[in-house]
Amino acid sequence: DTAVSQTPKYLVTQMGNDKSIKCEQNLGHDTMYWYKQDSKKFLKIMFSYNNKELIINETVPNRFSPKSPDKAHLNLHINSLELGDSAVYFCASSPAAGRGTQYFGPGTRLTVL
Amino acid sequence: SQQGEEDPQALSIQEGENATMNCSYKTSINNLQWYRQNSGRGLVHLILIRSNEREKHSGRLRVTLDTSKKSSSLLITASRAADTASYFCATDEYQAGTALIFGKGTTLSVSS
Repeated sequence: DTAVSQTPKYLVTQMGNDKSIKCEQNLGHDTMYWYKQDSKKFLKIMFSYNNKELIINETVPNRFSPKSPDKAHLNLHINSLELGDSAVYFCASSPAAGRGTQYFGPGTRLTVL
Repeated sequence: SQQGEEDPQALSIQEGENATMNCSYKTSINNLQWYRQNSGRGLVHLILIRSNEREKHSGRLRVTLDTSKKSSSLLITASRAADTASYFCATDEYQAGTALIFGKGTTLSVSS
């Protein structure tokens, strides 16, 4: 069974559209994360939720809105997509916030045309 | 947030050779981790070393940590073509350890 899953794996869309990426973990972890990896492979934290509560909200445009319906799910909704949003978005989870091993999903490659 | 530095950015070696990659970070840490990312895939955890440890082994991996120099190294011995991937170090420097800060990564290419 996949520990951290994301859908979709690929997302190609036009500028100005709204899209969502879903993430689910079946590890029973309390903390989930969204990271963005750009074309140079820089991996940067965007958001973190601990037991459905937002604990990290990095300097991310407010067009990005995470939602955690329960501690096993963390979705990312992006409004009014821009060319610069093109990247690979990774969801991850860990037993507790920050410290210790993080388990990553396979990533969602978003391409904005 | 701060980003660690890794060097080299890219490394090409032959199968059977050893590969060494280095990572530096900026502030105090509780632990440092190394992750591998195969092309088009997510990151996979390799090894965690705590700030009070100087060296740790896992199979063909050897990690060292020098907190006085704020640096770590990852050694892969007897490399294989399957080791071809990008390798990232990550520290818990961010906001009292609430998230990881990743280095820029080293891309390793092992040819047979």
